[in-house]
Amino acid sequence: KQEVTQIPAALSVPEGENLVLNCSFTDSAIYNLQWFRQDPGKGLTSLLLIQSSQREQTSGRLNASLDKSSGRSTLYIAASQPGDSATYLCAGIFSGGYNKLIFGAGTRLAVHP
Amino acid sequence: DTEVTQTPKHLVMGMTNKKSLKCEQHMGHRAMYWYKQKAKKPPELMFVYSYEKLSINESVPSRFSPECPNSSLLNLHLHALQPEDSALYLCASSQEGGGVYGYTFGSGTRLTVV
Repeated sequence: KQEVTQIPAALSVPEGENLVLNCSFTDSAIYNLQWFRQDPGKGLTSLLLIQSSQREQTSGRLNASLDKSSGRSTLYIAASQPGDSATYLCAGIFSGGYNKLIFGAGTRLAVHP
Repeated sequence: DTEVTQTPKHLVMGMTNKKSLKCEQHMGHRAMYWYKQKAKKPPELMFVYSYEKLSINESVPSRFSPECPNSSLLNLHLHALQPEDSALYLCASSQEGGGVYGYTFGSGTRLTVV
């Protein structure tokens, strides 16, 4: 069974810190991995997509990496701000589940001034 | 247009009502999805449409009935729901297999069953 796990479940940091959110998956046959942000009661906003042929993607203060052999992805947030407070979800599409995006449980991030 | 539009944003319905959720995208995506999300949980896949045909039904109760009238529209018909069906319902679209841009989600419909 393909599973996606996110650690930690919750994180509280002071403003300005660089932080790393972790995502692991059980199946190395991954097509792509996507990181989302979700504010309370809202929909999902796509942050970064990493295809299986890529190792990392960057957008502004965000950098996401993908290591298929170890079954891990990390989302790096530089110089965190209170506006970064949200739940961050990683999700992957795996071999045999062509249109089936599998989510991790998310990391709830709070950045305090 | 790079958005998925969902209507209504909020819906309150009784257990004997019939209502529909609507979803629209104009990105040319040929795969569309319904997800259900309970508080503090990740989204759970309900249905997948590929090229306007239902390709995945995750054993969803028949009181939820999906419909894909054309490549841009996706509906979810609701009938005789239970209070435990109260949740945020999310629609998403993508190219087949996620494609090069991944999934795009709508802002959701907050459903309350009373």
